[in-house]
Amino acid sequence: QQQVKQSPQSLIVQKGGISIINCAYENTAFDYFPWYQQFPGKGPALLIAIRPDVSEKKEGRFTISFNKSAKQFSLHIMDSQPGDSATYFCAASRTTDKLIFGTGTRLQVFP
Amino acid sequence: DAGITQSPRHKVTETGTPVTLRCHQTENHRYMYWYRQDPGHGLRLIHYSYGVKDTDKGEVSDGYSVSRSKTEDFLLTLESATSSQTSVYFCAISDVRLDNGQPQHFGDGTRLSIL
Repeated sequence: QQQVKQSPQSLIVQKGGISIINCAYENTAFDYFPWYQQFPGKGPALLIAIRPDVSEKKEGRFTISFNKSAKQFSLHIMDSQPGDSATYFCAASRTTDKLIFGTGTRLQVFP
Repeated sequence: DAGITQSPRHKVTETGTPVTLRCHQTENHRYMYWYRQDPGHGLRLIHYSYGVKDTDKGEVSDGYSVSRSKTEDFLLTLESATSSQTSVYFCAISDVRLDNGQPQHFGDGTRLSIL
């Protein structure tokens, strides 16, 4: 019940396209769902996060969509750029507990 | 960039030797974390600290110990390194006032190889 399943493992997108990464969780007590972006040789950085009281959160070209009944959430990157090429991790937790991370998605955006 | 410095950045050592990794922060954040990152596993929490001398175990704490004698420093020690502890280790910090203390900023990692 503690797992967070992330897909796809890798993703190739043309510049200007939409990148979509999906995550699924089992623990209905989870109430915090962040996404992290990691460039090669660097540590992850918090990108955007959502709580289950909203179904969508948008920050610039990055949007989290949240489906509480399906226990799924996804990251959408609109107008994907080569600079978005990185590994993306979803995560989930209860407010009083520690984060459980997905296994990561390597995104490559080609010009 | 958040002021997090991990040292060393790279280390190669032999099985059975003790190893200490250091995380230093200049943000005065209360929470500090140690994670390991392995292919196919994402990031897994080893230990965390919620204040000076206050630490607790994460999901993969066996074989690791930590200490936090000052707000700015969080040390991770492998008492007797094993090959299974070959990994990239990340330190993270967070301000309890934001996102309920979940990790916000990560260091650039220490690549540890145990031969």
